[in-house]
Amino acid sequence: QVQLVESGGAVVQPGRSLRLSCADSGLTFSTSAMHWVRQAPGKGLEWVAVISNDGTKKYYADSVKGRFTISRDNSKNTLYLQMDSLRVDDTAVYYCATGGDVRVNWYYDLWGRGTLVSVSS
Amino acid sequence: DIVTTQSPDSLAVSLGERATINCRSSQSVLYSSDNKNYLAWYQQKPGQPPKLLIYWASTRESGVPDRFSGSGSGTDFTLTISSLQAEDVAVYYCQQYYSAPHTFGQGTKLEIK
Repeated sequence: QVQLVESGGAVVQPGRSLRLSCADSGLTFSTSAMHWVRQAPGKGLEWVAVISNDGTKKYYADSVKGRFTISRDNSKNTLYLQMDSLRVDDTAVYYCATGGDVRVNWYYDLWGRGTLVSVSS
Repeated sequence: DIVTTQSPDSLAVSLGERATINCRSSQSVLYSSDNKNYLAWYQQKPGQPPKLLIYWASTRESGVPDRFSGSGSGTDFTLTISSLQAEDVAVYYCQQYYSAPHTFGQGTKLEIK
């Protein structure tokens, strides 16, 4: 069964950095655009970033632009989110998600279970 | 950026009754080249990731019960649960994937009356 498994969540201080990973056990990673979506405690879903299947196109939410970097390694079937200059309001469960399609503008039919990032002094 | 807004924020419906959730986008998500509405609905239960219910505004995902249906076009959309079951208690989100950022609605919490 195809799975996305996030890792790397931790408790960090404001201003510090953290890198999240998302491992894809399926066979279509290299042909799939991949997304990060986050959810602050008790709040709704917030789209964070997307990367095209070949890594050439990247888009970010205004709230993370200039601080977060999405990347991927197709040889390792792994998606990354480098988070720098973390703020208290970045505290959230971070999900990776995909529609299994090369197109960036596609619905998400596969989600990981999420990894918790807590930013606190 | 496209702003996506849901209504109501919460909803209480009796078992077996109909539940209706609305979603509005600030601009059309109907793509003229393929005549598809780039709008999805997700269900999220506590402690779980979101689950895709409906895509292209009205196409039910495989395995989703047929009491769930989606309708609408352009900027106005509706998710309908025809006969509410206990297991449908959840938060429901609409999302436009017409253009990045793929904005979500704020969510609608559905409860049993």
